[in-house]
Amino acid sequence: GESVGLHLPTLSVQEGDNSIINCAYSNSASDYFIWYKQESGKGPQFIIDIRSNMDKRQGQRVTVLLNKTVKHLSLQIAATQPGDSAVYFCAENVGGSNYKLTFGKGTLLTVNP
Amino acid sequence: GAVVSQHPSWVICKSGTSVKIECRSLDFQATTMFWYRQFPKQSLMLMATSNEGSKATYEQGVEKDKFLINHASLTLSTLTVTSAHPEDSSFYICSASLPLLSSNIQYFGAGTRLSVL
Repeated sequence: GESVGLHLPTLSVQEGDNSIINCAYSNSASDYFIWYKQESGKGPQFIIDIRSNMDKRQGQRVTVLLNKTVKHLSLQIAATQPGDSAVYFCAENVGGSNYKLTFGKGTLLTVNP
Repeated sequence: GAVVSQHPSWVICKSGTSVKIECRSLDFQATTMFWYRQFPKQSLMLMATSNEGSKATYEQGVEKDKFLINHASLTLSTLTVTSAHPEDSSFYICSASLPLLSSNIQYFGAGTRLSVL
């Protein structure tokens, strides 16, 4: 469940289960979204991206869903593995010549063996 | 994916000294690089956008004279924390933009942990 203040939202799953990580974005002008995975002490790693003209995109074991009506993004990880344990961030971009990304607060995923 | 190298990965310095962090795009040319700061258990906060051959664009509240950014080539940007103090201790991460027709993916370095004593 979600926490307040400086605590990251957390999600704990069993190995082999599917994980769903949610993200609410604020800027209705955003037209490009990225999910990143960050392991402890490392930089973020690109997972998957999606443009606003799509509502679903699939990668290897991951699926991103975009609901522009409610400004909601989700990342689904199939058959979650211990190596998936990390903090997951969604990021949004308003497009055009502005390449800046605005990051969400992140979700800590813990996979129990 | 594109590779971004950041150096050093960890630095300890005395209060009042300056520290330089390098960010290199190894297999592509990056006209735009970004510098972020991250506190424990928090998200990434953009500090500045570094453009090759021009001055960096700083986010509101970031002191440009304290965090000097230089982007002298298409593969190298540097961040210098001048007269560092303990409150500057943080995790600094750079990224390089690889703008393609359908995406603006940023690829990140491994980060630099700065500890100011």
